[in-house]
Amino acid sequence: AQSVTQLGSHVSVSEGALVLLRCNYSSSVPPYLFWYVQYPNQGLQLLLKYTTGATLVKGINGFEAEFKKSETSFHLTKPSAHMSDAAEYFCAVNNQAGTALIFGKGTTLSVSS
Amino acid sequence: DTAVSQTPKYLVTQMGNDKSIKCEQNLGHDTMYWYKQDSKKFLKIMFSYNNKELIINETVPNRFSPKSPDKAHLNLHINSLELGDSAVYFCASSQGGSGRAIGQYFGPGTRLTVT
Repeated sequence: AQSVTQLGSHVSVSEGALVLLRCNYSSSVPPYLFWYVQYPNQGLQLLLKYTTGATLVKGINGFEAEFKKSETSFHLTKPSAHMSDAAEYFCAVNNQAGTALIFGKGTTLSVSS
Repeated sequence: DTAVSQTPKYLVTQMGNDKSIKCEQNLGHDTMYWYKQDSKKFLKIMFSYNNKELIINETVPNRFSPKSPDKAHLNLHINSLELGDSAVYFCASSQGGSGRAIGQYFGPGTRLTVT
């Protein structure tokens, strides 16, 4: 069965510090993995996705994620946090049929100056 | 131009009423979805339509009825609203309904409050 676990419901970093948001998945088929960001009172914006090929995926706003099959992980990183990165981040995996997304419970990222 | 739009953005109504939420996408996608985000921000798929045909119907009360008049529109009608229906409802679209979902584009959401 498909599932996503996001470790840490809340992550706090200082401006300029490394951002690391953790995501582990379970999938009975080769997974397609996604990170979305949700700013307050807004919809979800696709940050990046892994489908096939290169396991290090670069996305928008300086974020990247690495697919590690052996660890069933897809952690999201950014070298230097900005205040504008404060938001809710969701990791997702496709369902078995590939017809919808299964989301993790989200991680709230706070950035302090 | 907004890629995926929803109306209304906010909807406040009383228990027992019937309401509709509309969704339109101008991306030329062939698949559209409805997701529900609860008060804890957990997102769950409700329905999915591919080329106007229902392909996902999760365990959702039959008070919820999606309707897709064409590939660019997917509306959600809710009968006999209950307090537990209060949530944010997101519409999304993607290209390719069968096989892998290669990334969905979400609308801004409709915050439904049932009093």
